[in-house]
Amino acid sequence: EAQVTQNPRYLITVTGKKLTVTCSQNMNHEYMSWYRQDPGLGLRQIYYSMNVEVTDKGDVPEGYKVSRKEKRNFPLILESPSPNQTSLYFCASSPQGGKNIQYFGAGTRLSVL
Amino acid sequence: GEDVEQSLFLSVREGDSSVINCTYTDSSSTYLYWYKQEPGAGLQLLTYIFSNMDMKQDQRLTVLLNKKDKHLSLRIADTQTGDSAIYFCAESLSGYSTLTFGKGTMLLVSP
Repeated sequence: EAQVTQNPRYLITVTGKKLTVTCSQNMNHEYMSWYRQDPGLGLRQIYYSMNVEVTDKGDVPEGYKVSRKEKRNFPLILESPSPNQTSLYFCASSPQGGKNIQYFGAGTRLSVL
Repeated sequence: GEDVEQSLFLSVREGDSSVINCTYTDSSSTYLYWYKQEPGAGLQLLTYIFSNMDMKQDQRLTVLLNKKDKHLSLRIADTQTGDSAIYFCAESLSGYSTLTFGKGTMLLVSP
């Protein structure tokens, strides 16, 4: 089954404790992206990747890191999480060109205390 | 710059039609999309329309595009309680994979 898998689905952590949210897709998509969703603000893009070893900042990259060493994986790293990073995070992937249809993971709800 | 605007909330009765509206600013948009987010879930593509089309129909869904006014709408016929969700409008530009999303419209369908 074609899917985008995020782990974990739920995470509670404390300020300053490094964490990684993993994202994996099995559709051989070139493009992958991370978003955060906050009430009243909709979806905001954090980082995206056009292909392996190619990453770029989105609209709200501060406090986040990403890497794209393999085509299928695009982890989101919070080196020193802060309470303002409490949010619902989504990973998405899409094939390059064409209709640009993005496929989303089920989301990771993160709480930073 | 790019901006996508939607009304935040819509309430309808079961069986009525729902119309969710969206405006966008970038006339270079190639594709426009409607995504649905059910509670506790990720976004799921409902439908999309290519910018050279005026209308697209898919079962209970009708998408209308007015390029002159940069206005996109999603009509859901015979709305059911299972249609209660947040609906996101999004646009993409030619050659770019990045989508710009609106803030989402929460649709509440009452019995």
